[in-house]
Amino acid sequence: SAVISQKPSRDICQRGTSLTIQCQVDSQVTMMFWYRQQPGQSLTLIATANQGSEATYESGFVIDKFPISRPNLTFSTLTVSNMSPEDSSIYLCSVESWVNTEAFFGQGTRLTVV
Amino acid sequence: TQLLEQSPQFLSIQEGENLTVYCNSSSVFSSLQWYRQEPGEGPVLLVTVVTGGEVKKLKRLTFQFGDARKDSSLHITAAQPGDTGLYLCAGARQAGTALIFGKGTTLSVSS
Repeated sequence: SAVISQKPSRDICQRGTSLTIQCQVDSQVTMMFWYRQQPGQSLTLIATANQGSEATYESGFVIDKFPISRPNLTFSTLTVSNMSPEDSSIYLCSVESWVNTEAFFGQGTRLTVV
Repeated sequence: TQLLEQSPQFLSIQEGENLTVYCNSSSVFSSLQWYRQEPGEGPVLLVTVVTGGEVKKLKRLTFQFGDARKDSSLHITAAQPGDTGLYLCAGARQAGTALIFGKGTTLSVSS
């Protein structure tokens, strides 16, 4: 298993500003995943972050809007840039076990853009 | 295209009732997982099924993996208010790739 600390847990931001979400894992992992989730709905993958290489983004998500850093095997950040109210959502980081693909999640960051 | 079809999307039942949530796909998965999520928290793994035809039980929860490894079900017996939450199925194509999630089932159990 893995313990993931994600912060902030929630924030209210002004439109046009940026917010950086941090994700710290208690063990070294090759890949980390960033998801977006509307309350009560399923998870949408934003990007996969590998240490030492650029993140791979899913369709509909671009690096300029959601830059990701992965400086080492235990840490990653996701920035939501130039925010608009449409970016209001829950953002989750996740890691998966290579052995059995089980996923572990941070507690999420609830972002409200006003 | 939603690769994992999960149903029903919403379920509101009384305490003591039984329920089943379904997760179906036309694709084969190496494993399939069920998660439960409560407000303000990330999803928490309930179970992983890996073998076609596998049945796993977790107290009042019974999980099945289809013989062809394309579908799964979650059955809850005698539901309790503490079972309330968002249930998500997720499939793994292979290790090292992101899980594919179903749309989720919001369960509400009232006493």
